[in-house]
Amino acid sequence: NAGVMQNPRHLVRRRGQEARLRCSPMKGHSHVYWYRQLPEEGLKFMVYLQKENIIDESGMPKERFSAEFPKEGPSILRIQQVVRGDSAAYFCASSPRGSNTGELFFGEGSRLTVL
Amino acid sequence: GQNIDQPTEMTATEGAIVQINCTYQTSGFNGLFWYQQHAGEAPTFLSYNVLDGLEEKGRFSSFLSRSKGYSYLLLKELQMKDSASYLCAVRDYKDSNYQLIWGAGTKLIIKP
Repeated sequence: NAGVMQNPRHLVRRRGQEARLRCSPMKGHSHVYWYRQLPEEGLKFMVYLQKENIIDESGMPKERFSAEFPKEGPSILRIQQVVRGDSAAYFCASSPRGSNTGELFFGEGSRLTVL
Repeated sequence: GQNIDQPTEMTATEGAIVQINCTYQTSGFNGLFWYQQHAGEAPTFLSYNVLDGLEEKGRFSSFLSRSKGYSYLLLKELQMKDSASYLCAVRDYKDSNYQLIWGAGTKLIIKP
């Protein structure tokens, strides 16, 4: 049973470009969470999605950021017109049920560097 | 409001015991988690407490006091591989939704 798969592991973008991060949850998991982590800091919640639905996007910046989890395929976190402040590790986690459940299973993260 | 506090960094000696504290303030507490995160890697689940008391799992134990808004993670017989960040996270029920609120993590340095 493969774990949560994220790609790319490392992504370099210039200011103004778009970054697209993908996350495939564990088999049987239909709930996906995206977190951002700056060096030496904790995890910051961004968005919680189920298949074809955004459940909670209270942690996501209103502009330039969007997320989706289509019926088929991975969840995608999209950052348009990236700025240097977007440089961070972006972690995806999945769970087999909704937020009522226990542990989250994390992917290895995607590290975005904006030049 | 929601707030979680844990020490930024701690140092301990191989073979010793260390206790990492976490205090929290939430309106709808529904459980507390501890995760371990090695540098550059994904967080991995260590423990979950929802009732008061001590949960023991091998060399790691986690304690919760809901009335005091307090938890600790106890690591015994420390090994060099225990050098990592330890993240405290509280599940809070707010606005008809469960949220996981994360502390900034405690970086644990193990010295020989």
